[in-house]
Amino acid sequence: EAQVTQNPRYLITVTGKKLTVTCSQNMNHEYMSWYRQDPGLGLRQIYYSMNVEVTDKGDVPEGYKVSRKEKRNFPLILESPSPNQTSLYFCASALGLAGTDTQYFGPGTRLTVL
Amino acid sequence: SQELEQSPQSLIVQEGKNLTINCTSSKTLYGLYWYKQKYGEGLIFLMMLQKGGEEKSHEKITAKLDEKKQQSSLHITASQPSHAGIYLCGADPDRGAQKLVFGQGTRLTINP
Repeated sequence: EAQVTQNPRYLITVTGKKLTVTCSQNMNHEYMSWYRQDPGLGLRQIYYSMNVEVTDKGDVPEGYKVSRKEKRNFPLILESPSPNQTSLYFCASALGLAGTDTQYFGPGTRLTVL
Repeated sequence: SQELEQSPQSLIVQEGKNLTINCTSSKTLYGLYWYKQKYGEGLIFLMMLQKGGEEKSHEKITAKLDEKKQQSSLHITASQPSHAGIYLCGADPDRGAQKLVFGQGTRLTINP
């Protein structure tokens, strides 16, 4: 089944404790992206990647890191999480260009930083 | 920057009734996507529209992109409880922007 998977789905952590949210897609998509969703602010892009070893900042990259060592995986890293990073996170992938090809979203990761 | 405004923000309809959700853009739309989100869960792709005047249907859901490509509507016919959720429109803000910008969403409740 073609899908985007994220792990963990739910995470409660404390300020400053490094964490990684994994994202994997099995559709051989070149484009992958991370969004966060917050009440009143909607979905905002954090980082995206056009291909292996090619990443770029989105609208809200501060406090996040990403890597794209393999085509199928695009982990989101929070080196020192803070409470303002409490949010619902989505990973997405698309065959090629973000605006031309349909983006498929993962199930989401609900992160709480205490 | 491009903004998408959805209306209404929330909608409660009786099962079996028709309804329409609108998405208005501050700029010309180059690609307009409709997604459905169950509360707190992932986004499910519904439809993508690219050409002015384009209309697509899937089961009881029809989406249209107006000729001027600044507004899209999503119409549900004979609504069912399974249609309940949050509907989001998303758009490519600029050709090559490599992201989608989204509206705030419309929360749809279907009363039996």
